[in-house]
Amino acid sequence: DAGVIQSPRHEVTEMGQEVTLRCKPISGHNSLFWYRQTMMRGLELLIYFNNNVPIDDSGMPEDRFSAKMPNASFSTLKIQPSEPRDSAVYFCASSSLRTGTGEQYFGPGTRLTVT
Amino acid sequence: QKEVEQNSGPLSVPEGAIASLNCTYSDRGSQSFFWYRQYSGKSPELIMFIYSNGDKEDGRFTAQLNKASQYVSLLIRDSQPSDSATYLCAILNTGTASKLTFGTGTRLQVTL
Repeated sequence: DAGVIQSPRHEVTEMGQEVTLRCKPISGHNSLFWYRQTMMRGLELLIYFNNNVPIDDSGMPEDRFSAKMPNASFSTLKIQPSEPRDSAVYFCASSSLRTGTGEQYFGPGTRLTVT
Repeated sequence: QKEVEQNSGPLSVPEGAIASLNCTYSDRGSQSFFWYRQYSGKSPELIMFIYSNGDKEDGRFTAQLNKASQYVSLLIRDSQPSDSATYLCAILNTGTASKLTFGTGTRLQVTL
């Protein structure tokens, strides 16, 4: 079975540019999570969706960050404009509400470098 | 107080020994508990989850849960150099069906 798919795997961009990260959750999963990981701050939850509806976006650092989930198989995280402090690894994870146990499965991540 | 606390390590154990990783949490209502392994430069990988008090074994891994004392641990028997990684503890937040809170992880080094 295919796991969580993320693209691109690496992104290098200049400050001020728009960055869009993409995620395809595991088929049948109905919760989707966006995390950011840095050495300094560890793994931070940015936003999550249940059944395509945003439930908690309190971790989104500022208005430059936005996330959408137009359907059950696709989500985007957009940063506009990007800044050097946004450099991090961004993970997408998915889980199934039906199991009731909450285990999440992570994608390979997108390593973002903003120069 | 952090919601999920782990010793950052590194925890160094010789090959073949038992590695014991510990995690404490503050949310008494938490029902599910998870251990993830993360190799350097890779994504977190689910090892085990546990939701009942006591032990749960899977191969060389044993998760132990004590809800009264609010701790969960992971034992790795016959540690191998390939077990060297950061181990993240996570809890399912009370009142949510899916949100996890992660600890900062313990780095394990298995030496030859």
